Amino acid sequence: RKEVEQDPGPFNVPEGATVAFNCTYSNSASQSFFWYRQDCRKEPKLLMSVYSSGNEDGRFTAQLNRASQYISLLIRDSKLSDSATYLCVVNHQAGTALIFGKGTTLSVSS
Amino acid sequence: GAVVSQHPSRVICKSGTSVKIECRSLDFQATTMFWYRQFPKQSLMLMATSNEGSKATYEQGVEKDKFLINHASLTLSTLTVTSAHPEDSSFYICSAFTGEDTEAFFGQGTRLTVV
Repeated sequence: RKEVEQDPGPFNVPEGATVAFNCTYSNSASQSFFWYRQDCRKEPKLLMSVYSSGNEDGRFTAQLNRASQYISLLIRDSKLSDSATYLCVVNHQAGTALIFGKGTTLSVSS
Repeated sequence: GAVVSQHPSRVICKSGTSVKIECRSLDFQATTMFWYRQFPKQSLMLMATSNEGSKATYEQGVEKDKFLINHASLTLSTLTVTSAHPEDSSFYICSAFTGEDTEAFFGQGTRLTVV
């Protein structure tokens, strides 16, 4: 079983749609959680950190459920520019390597 | 924010040759850097942890004699793919933490094609 699992998609949605991505992780000792965005052939870029209390940044909301070992990302009012691969990422300990999911591909069309 | 610079961004080499990829932290010192590899439609997979002044730690299944890592200074780590073969063609990317927080900073990545 992979340590971080995501539905690879693709998710094809029209502009303005709301889309949700889910992710599960297997190591209950994981300490930090993130969503990264990766555009084609580019390096991943931090979208947001994820906390049990929830984290909202504009149109993006992330949520962590430690009991279920489940992480989510909600994107509201999708824009064309949101088209990318969204990577669910966990970290066991600060300063150690990040562990990446396979990514979920989002395609937003007009 | 912190910047990690990786070079080259793209390289094409002949089978059997070696390729060196550089990863530099431009405005901070990185005692540890991480090297990842990403095949098409796959996740970033950790290859090794590069430690300044000591030997790198390789993940299971990664050949240390094939992927040579040198971290001779606090701002530079290099990955050398020796005797490259077509199956080594991939996207290689490095990252580092500033040490002040948990955000990792990534290099721009190197797309290696072995022909």
